[in-house]
Amino acid sequence: AQSVTQLDSQVPVFEEAPVELRCNYSSSVSVYLFWYVQYPNQGLQLLLKYLSGSTLVESINGFEAEFNKSQTSFHLRKPSVHISDTAEYFCAVSDFGGTSYGKLTFGQGTILTVHP
Amino acid sequence: DGGITQSPKYLFRKEGQNVTLSCEQNLNHDAMYWYRQDPGQGLRLIYYSQIVNDFQKGDIAEGYSVSREKKESFPLTVTSAQKNPTAFYLCASSNMQGASGETQYFGPGTRLLVL
Repeated sequence: AQSVTQLDSQVPVFEEAPVELRCNYSSSVSVYLFWYVQYPNQGLQLLLKYLSGSTLVESINGFEAEFNKSQTSFHLRKPSVHISDTAEYFCAVSDFGGTSYGKLTFGQGTILTVHP
Repeated sequence: DGGITQSPKYLFRKEGQNVTLSCEQNLNHDAMYWYRQDPGQGLRLIYYSQIVNDFQKGDIAEGYSVSREKKESFPLTVTSAQKNPTAFYLCASSNMQGASGETQYFGPGTRLLVL
């Protein structure tokens, strides 16, 4: 069984400040890791994911996340946030099932609010 | 444009009534999913289907039913047995029969409210 813990339910930050959204997971097997973003009253969109290779993954809009196997973490960071980054962010894990079905387990979500 | 559509955007249910939420995708994806979202609880899996004419229960299937007669469609029925149906319902799809690591693509959601 897997579980995901997002350590902060809400993160307020000022525009152009750096931000880190924390995610820890628990699994008895190797995992794939995802960050999704949800804008108000919309569905989720993939922000970035880690499958293999370099432990640092980046998104097209300046976010990055680093897979740390020893600390079982996948924290999301951005060096300078914009008002438009205000949204809810979900961390998720999927076990390394190869071609078999890989259930996605989500964390509780972190609401990022960027203030002017 | 390829994508996932969900209808209606808002749905009202009366006591003892069954209601059906629609989900259609034109991404040619094999796998489809239904999630329930409640504030502060993340997303919980209700049902999933890896291929047509086959589906499996997720973590919170009680009070819900689905069908998968066509690749493009995966409707969810919220039955009267579901005592706390008020939530935001999200449909998703993915390729490779939902293989581990595949990205799930989400629809815009349906908000269900009880009258």
